[in-house]
Amino acid sequence: AQRVTQPEKLLSVFKGAPVELKCNYSYSGSPELFWYVQYSRQRLQLLLRHISRESIKGFTADLNKGETSFHLKKPFAQEEDSAMYYCALSGGGGSNYKLTFGKGTLLTVNP
Amino acid sequence: DAGITQSPRHKVTETGTPVTLRCHQTENHRYMYWYRQDPGHGLRLIHYSYGVKDTDKGEVSDGYSVSRSKTEDFLLTLESATSSQTSVYFCAISDFGGDAGANVLTFGAGSRLTVL
Repeated sequence: AQRVTQPEKLLSVFKGAPVELKCNYSYSGSPELFWYVQYSRQRLQLLLRHISRESIKGFTADLNKGETSFHLKKPFAQEEDSAMYYCALSGGGGSNYKLTFGKGTLLTVNP
Repeated sequence: DAGITQSPRHKVTETGTPVTLRCHQTENHRYMYWYRQDPGHGLRLIHYSYGVKDTDKGEVSDGYSVSRSKTEDFLLTLESATSSQTSVYFCAISDFGGDAGANVLTFGAGSRLTVL
């Protein structure tokens, strides 16, 4: 079974501070990991995926297979980063077309 | 926005009545999904489809059925709505196996359902 854990329901930081949203996963094979974001009154959208190794809106995430983690980081948070963030996992083999989501972390960036 | 629309966007109904939510896509993607979003639970997969008339259950399928008679439409039906099915329902599509490679989902705007 595949499982995604986001330990923080809420995270509040000040503008300019570093931010880290935690994500841990459980999966026996080689997963694909994603971060999705939902801004207020907008659709859920892909933020980044680990296979791309890219930085989107200043966010990065590194897959750590030893710690089974995929934490999302940004060195200097901005107010427009306030949103709900979901970590998601896609398993390999016959189940890689299904995404399992964590419960989400609501990030608030205060001025 | 991406070519995926959900209808209705808002619905209030009474316990015991049937409800059908519609997801329509213009992207010709093979995979379609229905998720529900609840505070404290995140997004949970209800049902998904991997082709016309090919569907399977997700983790919270009890009380829901789906149908996909053509590529562009994926219907979610609550045969007899209950208050526990009050939620925001999201449809998503995926071009998995196509140019996108990894299974990247594109979401609809959501349908807010209230069961009284």
